[in-house]
Amino acid sequence: KAGVTQTPRYLIKTRGQQVTLSCSPISGHRSVSWYQQTPGQGLQFLFEYFSETQRNKGNFPGRFSGRQFSNSRSEMNVSTLELGDSALYLCASSFDGSNTEAFFGQGTRLTVV
Amino acid sequence: QKEVEQNSGPLSVPEGAIASLNCTYSDRGSQSFFWYRQYSGKSPELIMSIYSNGDKEDGRFTAQLNKASQYVSLLIRDSQPSDSATYLCAPMGNNNDMRFGAGTRLTVKP
Repeated sequence: KAGVTQTPRYLIKTRGQQVTLSCSPISGHRSVSWYQQTPGQGLQFLFEYFSETQRNKGNFPGRFSGRQFSNSRSEMNVSTLELGDSALYLCASSFDGSNTEAFFGQGTRLTVV
Repeated sequence: QKEVEQNSGPLSVPEGAIASLNCTYSDRGSQSFFWYRQYSGKSPELIMSIYSNGDKEDGRFTAQLNKASQYVSLLIRDSQPSDSATYLCAPMGNNNDMRFGAGTRLTVKP
């Protein structure tokens, strides 16, 4: 069974640009959550999608957005990039997101210059 | 008070010893609790989940949960150098969001 796949693995962007990251969950999983990990702040919850609906959102500005498609694949978008957005972005998939185990992808390392 | 608190470490134990990792959380509505292991430069890997008060054992790992005290712990028996990593505690809140602690860095010395 294939694991969670995130693309791309590495990305370098310039301040002010926008970026789209992709996450393909484990087959059969319908919940996808996104996290930002930085050395100073640790793992912070961005949002969770289930059946194409955002069910929960963390405390991030509106520049961070996401969506989920009917095949459960999810994308997150960051607009007007800032230097502080440099981080490892992780997605985690679970069967239904409700008290079930979640498995992480390898992450996308975003560097904003 | 942080939502999830863990001793940042580093925690150093000799090979073969028991490593004890602790975590307290503030959300009394949390029903599920997860421990992840993260090696440097890698993504978190799920190692244990626990849902009920008491102990849950899986190989060399034992998770302990006390909801009344809002406390969850992870014991690693017969610690190996390959266990050297950062261990993340993650209670899941009522809103289907896992909130992570800062992690405890464990070093197992041969």
